[in-house]
This record gives sequence, structure tokens and C-alpha cells, in this order.
Amino acid sequence: QKEVEQDPGPLSVPEGAIVSLNCTYSNSAFQYFMWYRQYSRKGPELLMYTYSSGNKEDGRFTAQVDKSSKYISLFIRDSQPSDSATYLCAMSVGGANNLFFGTGTRLTVIP
Amino acid sequence: GAVVSQHPSWVICKSGTSVKIECRSLDFQATTMFWYRQFPKQSLMLMATSNEGSKATYEQGVEKDKFLINHASLTLSTLTVTSAHPEDSSFYICSASGLGQGVTYEQYFGPGTRLTVT
Repeated sequence: QKEVEQDPGPLSVPEGAIVSLNCTYSNSAFQYFMWYRQYSRKGPELLMYTYSSGNKEDGRFTAQVDKSSKYISLFIRDSQPSDSATYLCAMSVGGANNLFFGTGTRLTVIP
Repeated sequence: GAVVSQHPSWVICKSGTSVKIECRSLDFQATTMFWYRQFPKQSLMLMATSNEGSKATYEQGVEKDKFLINHASLTLSTLTVTSAHPEDSSFYICSASGLGQGVTYEQYFGPGTRLTVT
């Protein structure tokens, strides 16, 4: 079993839709949860960073962590074509080191 | 803040030659740098972790004599692919974590280097 599972998609939604991206994990010691956005042939860009459980909101993006279910989500409201990218979840036990990545979900927002 | 650059962005080399990729933290001190490899439509695979002034720690299955990593300063790490072969063709991405104004202990990624070995 992989440490982190993520549906690779692809996921296509119309502009303005609410997008839900999810990851599950098996290691209950994970405490740091991150979402990265990666455009084609570019390096990943950190979107959201959450410690432990709860919600975190930043503009159109909301990250949720449910440690009891070992499940994290990223919601994108009012999706835009510029949101089209691959979204990678990542998590770790102790901060920046030893990140475990999901395989990434490719999202396309159709104008 | 927290900008990481990589050079070159794309390199083509002949089989058997060596290629050096540079990773720089532009506005913070990178106490730790990471090197990843990414194949098309796959996630990032950590190759090695390096701390400034120390030898890199390689992940299982990564040949340290083939992928030479030097973290000579708090702003520069290099990855040298020695005697490159076509199967080494991939997207190589570095990241850095460390200290600086506005910088927290996340990993900040460079834009990546696409290596094609012919």
C-alpha cells in the first residue's frame, strides 16, 4: 500500500465550478499537509500548507484535513481556466523533510 | 521571497557525456536541498537530500556514483548526471528549505530541468 493515494484523474470541469481534490494516507504520524500546483513542464508551486487537522482558506482555495479518516481535500471555488494544472498533495511527519507525494490529479477547467 | 532557480531549463546531451544542473535559492539560505526526478504523468520521486557542507543522503535505488550532488554553499546545490544514457532522460526538479525573511520550513521548488539524452 502506498503511503499516499491520490486519484490521477484527469478531471474536467466547466469554468465557475467547484472542484474537489482528495488524498488518503496510511501513516497516522503525518502532521504536515500540503497542496502543490504544477503547470506542465514547470516545478511544483506551494498552494496551501496545513498543520494537523482543520480547515484553512486562502482566497478561492480551501484545504481540509481529517486526521481521523486520514483524508485531506482541496476545494477550488469559482474555478478558472488558469487553474488547469496538476495538483499534488504532499505530507510529512516532521515538516519540510521527507515529503510523501501523491501521484497528482490533472485538472482541466473548460472556458 | 522563497525563490528557487534552476539552470539550465532544458539540456540535450549525447549518451556517455556528463551534465551538470544547478539549483540556487535566490533570497534565502537553503540549509537543506532536495533533488527529485519526475517521469511523464508520474509524481515526484525523491533522489537525494543534501545539507550544506555535508554529503548527500541518497534514496534507495539511486546510484550515488552516477548522480553526484554537491551542496557547497547555502544558496547553491548541483546535480551532475555522469555518463548519461537515454534512460536518464527525465525532468529533474530541485527544492530547498531553510531560513530567511518570510520563509517557513516548507520546501520551495525550482522550475525544473528537462534532460534529454540522445
